[in-house]
Amino acid sequence: QKEVEQNSGPLSVPEGAIASLNCTYSDRGSQSFFWYRQYSGKSPELIMFIYSNGDKEDGRFTAQLNKASQYVSLLIRDSQPSDSATYLCAVNGGSGTYKYIFGTGTRLKVLA
Amino acid sequence: GAGVSQSPSNKVTEKGKDVELRCDPISGHTALYWYRQRLGQGLEFLIYFQGNSAPDKSGLPSDRFSAERTGESVSTLTIQRTQQEDSAVYLCASSRRTSGDTQYFGPGTRLTVL
Repeated sequence: QKEVEQNSGPLSVPEGAIASLNCTYSDRGSQSFFWYRQYSGKSPELIMFIYSNGDKEDGRFTAQLNKASQYVSLLIRDSQPSDSATYLCAVNGGSGTYKYIFGTGTRLKVLA
Repeated sequence: GAGVSQSPSNKVTEKGKDVELRCDPISGHTALYWYRQRLGQGLEFLIYFQGNSAPDKSGLPSDRFSAERTGESVSTLTIQRTQQEDSAVYLCASSRRTSGDTQYFGPGTRLTVL
């Protein structure tokens, strides 16, 4: 059973701090990795995707991928109360693989 | 359209009734996915379509669930003889292609079975 694991949280950080969200996956052949944000009662929205080892930055968000260790992380700098949401990690196996496996999400609380 | 749309947004039904949920993907997106999300839980994969073909239906919880898609557009998810455990948000997502591409989600249909 291919799995994606996330700590359910809640992860509480003060406003302005860096929030670090982690995700591990079991399928070593996975090639595409996504972070979605889901506000309560809303549908998931894409934050970032990453395909290659290393860091990818977009504004306050940085995705980090380490395929050897099979983990992907999301850093949120200068966290804001509006960042409070559940963050879902999703993994796709790549070429010829249709299935996206989602983690159960980490709930982030940014305290004002 | 500009994004994935789903209808109805909310559906309340009585146990034993059939329901039909609709998804309109982003124009040009060949891949379409259905997920179920129970309260406080993660996304449970149900089925995906490549065009109007559904190569893998193994995520469907039981034979009460079925789905179809017309060409590369509208998809309907049908639940027959609904049970209380079917209560959940049903999310539809589409992507340009199947493998490795970003999925864009619709707003979901909240189904409540009384």
